[in-house]
Amino acid sequence: QVQLMESGGGVVQPGRSLRLSCGASGFIFSNYGMHWVRQAPGKGLEWVAVISYDGTNEYYADSVRGRFTISRDNSKNTLYLQMNTLTVEDTAVYSCAKDYHFYGSSGLLQYWGQGTLVTVSS
Amino acid sequence: DIQMTQSPSMLSASVGDRVTITCRASQYVSGWLAWYQQKPGKAPKLLIYKGSVLEGGVPSRFSGSASGTEFTLTISSLQPDDYATYYCQHYNVYPWAFGEGTKVEIK
Repeated sequence: QVQLMESGGGVVQPGRSLRLSCGASGFIFSNYGMHWVRQAPGKGLEWVAVISYDGTNEYYADSVRGRFTISRDNSKNTLYLQMNTLTVEDTAVYSCAKDYHFYGSSGLLQYWGQGTLVTVSS
Repeated sequence: DIQMTQSPSMLSASVGDRVTITCRASQYVSGWLAWYQQKPGKAPKLLIYKGSVLEGGVPSRFSGSASGTEFTLTISSLQPDDYATYYCQHYNVYPWAFGEGTKVEIK
C-alpha cells in the first residue's frame, strides 16, 4: 500500500532554515507529481508547493514563494522541502501528498503522510 | 485566486442523522472539487473528487453534488466513524485552495 513518511521537523529560530524529507513507497514515485501541504495548530489546510513527476516544474503558494524550495530525488523515492527565512507564521504540521493523476500535477491529493511538526520560535 | 467558503464551521449530530456540508467557490471551478475527511492526529483521506465521484473504498452513505459554484457533501446516515473534520478543496487551477473545514461532533 502507499506509504508517505515525513521527517526533518523540529524547533527552529525565526530566520533560520530547515529541510524536510518525505519517503515514499507502494507506488511508482517517479510517475506522479508530489505536493506539500501544511496545517497550523488548530487551523485548516494550506497547500504549499507542488513538483512535477520529473522535477521540471514547481509551483508555490504566495506565502512561501521565494523562501521555500520543493525538490525530489526519484532514484531515492524521496521528496524534499527546503525552508529558508522561517517565520513564526510557518509553524505547522507539514505533510507530503501524492497527486492523483499519472504523470500529473492536478492538485487532487490522493494519499497523504501523517506530517512532521515545524515550530518556529525564539 | 479562488477562495473556498465552507459552512457550517461546526455541527453537532446524532448517529443516524443526515448531515449536509456546503462549500462555495468564489469563481467557477468546472466541477473540480474534492472532499477530504480528517480525524485528529491523522492524515486527511480523500472521499470525493470531481464534485460527486466517490473514491474507492468510501462508503456509499457519502455523496457529493454541485450547482454552479456551490458544492454539497452529504452523509445520509451518520455513523460513529464519521465524526471528523471535513474539508473541501478546488483543484481547478493553481493555486489550489481548501475550505476552512467543518467539524462534525457528537450530539
